[in-house]
Amino acid sequence: AQTVTQSQPEMSVQEAETVTLSCTYDTSESDYYLFWYKQPPSRQMILVIRQEAYKQQNATENRFSVNFQKAAKSFSLKISDSQLGDAAMYFCAYLVEYGNKLVFGAGTILRVKS
Amino acid sequence: GAVVSQHPSRVICKSGTSVKIECRSLDFQATTMFWYRQFPKQSLMLMATSNEGSKATYEQGVEKDKFLINHASLTLSTLTVTSAHPEDSSFYICSARGAADEKLFFGSGTQLSVL
Repeated sequence: AQTVTQSQPEMSVQEAETVTLSCTYDTSESDYYLFWYKQPPSRQMILVIRQEAYKQQNATENRFSVNFQKAAKSFSLKISDSQLGDAAMYFCAYLVEYGNKLVFGAGTILRVKS
Repeated sequence: GAVVSQHPSRVICKSGTSVKIECRSLDFQATTMFWYRQFPKQSLMLMATSNEGSKATYEQGVEKDKFLINHASLTLSTLTVTSAHPEDSSFYICSARGAADEKLFFGSGTQLSVL
């Protein structure tokens, strides 16, 4: 069974600084997708970034980038120039290609200090 | 981006009553819809997966007769919590996926409080 592990229950970052959230996963599949979702206090799930496992290039979306290490099964999220609005719960998630089940990690609460 | 509408956003009900939550895909056909439950400061727990026109597939430990799921059309899925009890109080979120698309779009969630 696939599992997703987020080992950091909480993280803090100073405004304008950079923070990295960790995520590891376990799978025997070769084709899959990885996601980072943000859940602010409104509890709306917001897709931050996604990565196709077959792509070696790390995905980037503005201030958000990932470090995807397929062999190590690691998928960390880097947030640059952190803003107060980045404060939220962040979930790492895995989806096998052609599969239906999105597997979530336990989440990391990110606090941004002004 | 695609929009998924979930209603109601908040519901308070008496113990023993049934509550229906709707999840609609507004601008795409959702071949698959998912229902999650989330406790405070915890992750999303998948309850069931439903495909249009067929019976839902429930995760282990989720009572089928307690949480009735109907996916009658490509744009609507409903979750009915039957004979609700205080322990059913939780945040319920739906998500939808189109055909041949790995992206999942989430509803805004429903906070259920059973008195």
